[in-house]
Amino acid sequence: NAGVTQTPKFQVLKTGQSMTLQCAQDMNHEYMSWYRQDPGMGLRLIHYSVGAGITDQGEVPNGYNVSRSTTEDFPLRLLSAAPSQTSVYFCASTQPTGNTEAFFGQGTRLTVV
Amino acid sequence: SQKIEQNSEALNIQEGKTATLTCNYTNYSPAYLQWYRQDPGRGPVFLLLIRENEKEKRKERLKVTFDTTLKQSLFHITASQPADSATYLCALDRAGGYNKLIFGAGTRLAVHP
Repeated sequence: NAGVTQTPKFQVLKTGQSMTLQCAQDMNHEYMSWYRQDPGMGLRLIHYSVGAGITDQGEVPNGYNVSRSTTEDFPLRLLSAAPSQTSVYFCASTQPTGNTEAFFGQGTRLTVV
Repeated sequence: SQKIEQNSEALNIQEGKTATLTCNYTNYSPAYLQWYRQDPGRGPVFLLLIRENEKEKRKERLKVTFDTTLKQSLFHITASQPADSATYLCALDRAGGYNKLIFGAGTRLAVHP
């Protein structure tokens, strides 16, 4: 049972480039979300999804797009990378009951130069 | 806006002592609160969840309290060990549910032999 798998683990982008961060879970969880973690700050919610075909914005959505075509996958797209998007990105999944633990991936460390 | 504060300074304690970490929140009355452990370069790992109608929760050497009047949670690790050294994150459910979490910045704990 792999849990939540994120790829790649590390990435360096040039300003203006686009890329997709992959996230997959094998626990059949309905809820999935993307967070970014910056030094001295808590994890901040970027986008979330409550099921296939349903996504919504979190606290810091600008510059990011998501889609949820299957229960398992929830990719995060950076449309035109900016240095301010240098961060560590975490994908998480949870059961839909709303008061259960979140399972996190290992993270993607992204540097935009 | 909803805000969570955790001690930003690292907590250094001697092996065998009890570590106590604090989480304070404002502008919100969460239905539940969670604590996570994060090791360097890894994703957060769930430890405990406590609901608003619960005063205390225990799991092995861990204990969490939740005071909705003070808007505070305390996280205790008894008989601490060097292996407990990590960053501990407090998280609350965001208004609107769907397990959208608001995280504190975390407190780094160092347990010395």
